[in-house]
Amino acid sequence: DSGVTQTPKHLITATGQRVTLRCSPRSGDLSVYWYQQSLDQGLQFLIQYYNGEERAKGNILERFSAQQFPDLHSELNLSSLELGDSALYFCASSVARSSGGGYTFGSGTRLTVV
Amino acid sequence: AQTVTQSQPEMSVQEAETVTLSCTYDTSESDYYLFWYKQPPSRQMILVIRQEAYKQQNATENRFSVNFQKAAKSFSLKISDSQLGDAAMYFCAYRSYNNNDMRFGAGTRLTVKP
Repeated sequence: DSGVTQTPKHLITATGQRVTLRCSPRSGDLSVYWYQQSLDQGLQFLIQYYNGEERAKGNILERFSAQQFPDLHSELNLSSLELGDSALYFCASSVARSSGGGYTFGSGTRLTVV
Repeated sequence: AQTVTQSQPEMSVQEAETVTLSCTYDTSESDYYLFWYKQPPSRQMILVIRQEAYKQQNATENRFSVNFQKAAKSFSLKISDSQLGDAAMYFCAYRSYNNNDMRFGAGTRLTVKP
């Protein structure tokens, strides 16, 4: 157990629907990062939050949004889902806003859009 | 923008032998961090080793070591005495000193033959 908790582990939904992925960071970590990994691809950075505020944005679609709550858990909202959104979505956390210690990853949420 | 390139989509090694995975990156920054992550079939992302760019000494973690060539922007991973449990996807990653997102290469799939 890495200490980063992601729920649900698996999600199957239809095109056009909206889903919410949840992430609880490791205890003491203030930064949360979201990544998307499509089949047999590398990880694409989506967005980062630090202590409730958005800090960095990557290749995140307008149909996607995220937030970090006062208890530091984060949610990634995906709407108007398309087949191409099927992927493994990772959440990672780190202590500082800009930490050189690497990230701790959750086990991911596998999203399948049918 | 920083890019990370892993030119070997697949590699294989005999059990107990040594294998080297290649990684190059493109950056104009002088301070940054480099990482190798392992992703076994469970899909969990596991930090293998990290290197600070300002350190000339190559990082080592048990059977894992890196060859960091800053001028050449090269960061290879050497796995000694390969074990069956080393079979996984390996991702090289870059993070600048002041930036927040970590950039990943496309990955190298390592097969270990008994």
